[in-house]
Amino acid sequence: AQSVTQLDSQVPVFEEAPVELRCNYSSSVSVYLFWYVQYPNQGLQLLLKYLSGSTLVKGINGFEAEFNKSQTSFHLRKPSVHISDTAEYFCAVSNYNNNDMRFGAGTRLTVKP
Amino acid sequence: NAGVMQNPRHLVRRRGQEARLRCSPMKGHSHVYWYRQLPEEGLKFMVYLQKENIIDESGMPKERFSAEFPKEGPSILRIQQVVRGDSAAYFCASSLVRQETQYFGPGTRLLVL
Repeated sequence: AQSVTQLDSQVPVFEEAPVELRCNYSSSVSVYLFWYVQYPNQGLQLLLKYLSGSTLVKGINGFEAEFNKSQTSFHLRKPSVHISDTAEYFCAVSNYNNNDMRFGAGTRLTVKP
Repeated sequence: NAGVMQNPRHLVRRRGQEARLRCSPMKGHSHVYWYRQLPEEGLKFMVYLQKENIIDESGMPKERFSAEFPKEGPSILRIQQVVRGDSAAYFCASSLVRQETQYFGPGTRLLVL
């Protein structure tokens, strides 16, 4: 079965700074990869996804992620963060052979003024 | 175009009572997934259902938990004889196609006293 590791549980950054949230996965078969954002007391909102094709994926709110098969990574980046980006970010992986999507433990991004 | 709806948003139960959590998928979606999120943790897959069928319940505790997705009406996650350890946020997601993008509801936060 596939699994996901988010290497940083908390990432504090200053407003307008760039940020990278790291995600590594393991799977013996081809995968689909996702990043979700969760604002306090809310559900998960899809930021972006990789299903196939271009390895650089652009999502909402200025986020992007790059699928690196050789490093089994799918790191999330934003060149300049805003206070409103403060939230919990989850990386997730699934594959066509399984029914469940596996989530990482989450990375709490805190943007300070 | 309503998204995934869950109710109630908050549920308080005493130990030994039953909890019923409801999920209405997005219009046209026939695949429903339930996840549990414990405090400070990521989401853990519980069960995957299609209309009237449980496809995968490998993440469900063996006792006290059950799920259904009837032909008419919402999907129901039922927890019998709740214990304090059941306190968590329960999220429902739906998708149009199996293993395609899952859209999440706002969650039900269950508190067992």
